[in-house]
Amino acid sequence: DGGITQSPKYLFRKEGQNVTLSCEQNLNHDAMYWYRQDPGQGLRLIYYSQIVNDFQKGDIAEGYSVSREKKESFPLTVTSAQKNPTAFYLCASSSGLAGVRNEQFFGPGTRLTVL
Amino acid sequence: EDKVVQSPLSLVVHEGDTVTLNCSYEVTNFRSLLWYKQEKKAPTFLFMLTSSGIEKKSGRLSSILDKKELFSILNITATQTGDSAVYLCASPNTGTASKLTFGTGTRLQVTL
Repeated sequence: DGGITQSPKYLFRKEGQNVTLSCEQNLNHDAMYWYRQDPGQGLRLIYYSQIVNDFQKGDIAEGYSVSREKKESFPLTVTSAQKNPTAFYLCASSSGLAGVRNEQFFGPGTRLTVL
Repeated sequence: EDKVVQSPLSLVVHEGDTVTLNCSYEVTNFRSLLWYKQEKKAPTFLFMLTSSGIEKKSGRLSSILDKKELFSILNITATQTGDSAVYLCASPNTGTASKLTFGTGTRLQVTL
């Protein structure tokens, strides 16, 4: 089955700890994205990558870091510098230019709670 | 800065009603507008609209784009409880086609 997987589904973290959220896709997509969703708000872009070994900051990159060493994988690290990390995190991928040729496909999300 | 605004923010209807969800946009180099349905987890793709006046249809859902007035509507006829979800619209960012700007979503609840 082709798709996007995210793990873990739920994650609890103490203040001051870094955590890494996993995102893997087997759709052979070039582009991958990380979004954050807060209650009552739409999706806000954290980072995106259009090709392996390259990524760009989105609208709310502060306190987050990513890597793209493999086409299939785009892990997101939430660092202790992120002041309000409790949120629902969604990973997405697309084969080309989003909205031009292909829509973005989303993973099931990770809900991060900082205790 | 690109903007996508959805209305209403939330809506409660009875099963069988018809609903219309609105999405207006301000995008400098407009390419397309996308609609997604989000039930509990991953948003799932519904429609991509690029041309004005051409209705896209899938079952009881349909959508149309007005590029002159800069908005799109999503219609759901004969609503069912399974239509309860957050409906998101998005448009590719002016600067980089890979980035999508999302609206805040419309939360639809369909009651018996």
